[in-house]
Amino acid sequence: DAKTTQPTSMDCAEGRAANLPCNHSTISGNEYVYWYRQIHSQGPQYIIHGLKNNETNEMASLIITEDRKSSTLILPHATLRDTAVYYCIVRPTLTGTASKLTFGTGTRLQVTL
Amino acid sequence: KAGVTQTPRYLIKTRGQQVTLSCSPISGHRSVSWYQQTPGQGLQFLFEYFSETQRNKGNFPGRFSGRQFSNSRSEMNVSTLELGDSALYLCASSLGQVAATNEKLFFGSGTQLSVL
Repeated sequence: DAKTTQPTSMDCAEGRAANLPCNHSTISGNEYVYWYRQIHSQGPQYIIHGLKNNETNEMASLIITEDRKSSTLILPHATLRDTAVYYCIVRPTLTGTASKLTFGTGTRLQVTL
Repeated sequence: KAGVTQTPRYLIKTRGQQVTLSCSPISGHRSVSWYQQTPGQGLQFLFEYFSETQRNKGNFPGRFSGRQFSNSRSEMNVSTLELGDSALYLCASSLGQVAATNEKLFFGSGTQLSVL
């Protein structure tokens, strides 16, 4: 499985963009990059995923570098409710292994006033 | 549409007892997977059920078992509880089998199990 590396923690002022980086230098050509977040005492919540192209939805944008070795999750206008642990995950492609998601330790994002 | 429902929300047991946790997936979802989350080990995959059959299993001892019913609801059972089984147990549902890499997982809020 491709491993991901994320900073342990980040701070962001409310209303500013939060840019969360993720390194996945061993990713293979057909593996997706997924982002989830976990707010305290809740289950992880799906945010966005992508393969090669940049993606945007109502929650966030995902920027994947051309060599696919890293990506950045962007929350355009962070609010206090975005305070959470953010997980970057690479989904393995072998049948039967994709459910064995490895979440790692994630980035703890603290949004402040 | 209701989300993934896990019951109970909190549970306290003593060593040696057994416990059964329940998960109701989102309506129409056929896959349910289970995860254990602890501060030290993070989120670890337990097993996945699809169409009442276990499709995949993580590296946990045989004390951890599960099943899925015809309505896609799932239960997991832990027998002979140990102190180290204290954790947040999460279940996630998806429309199709999770092995399809494009399937999104939707998680419940989990069951917090404390073993004394």
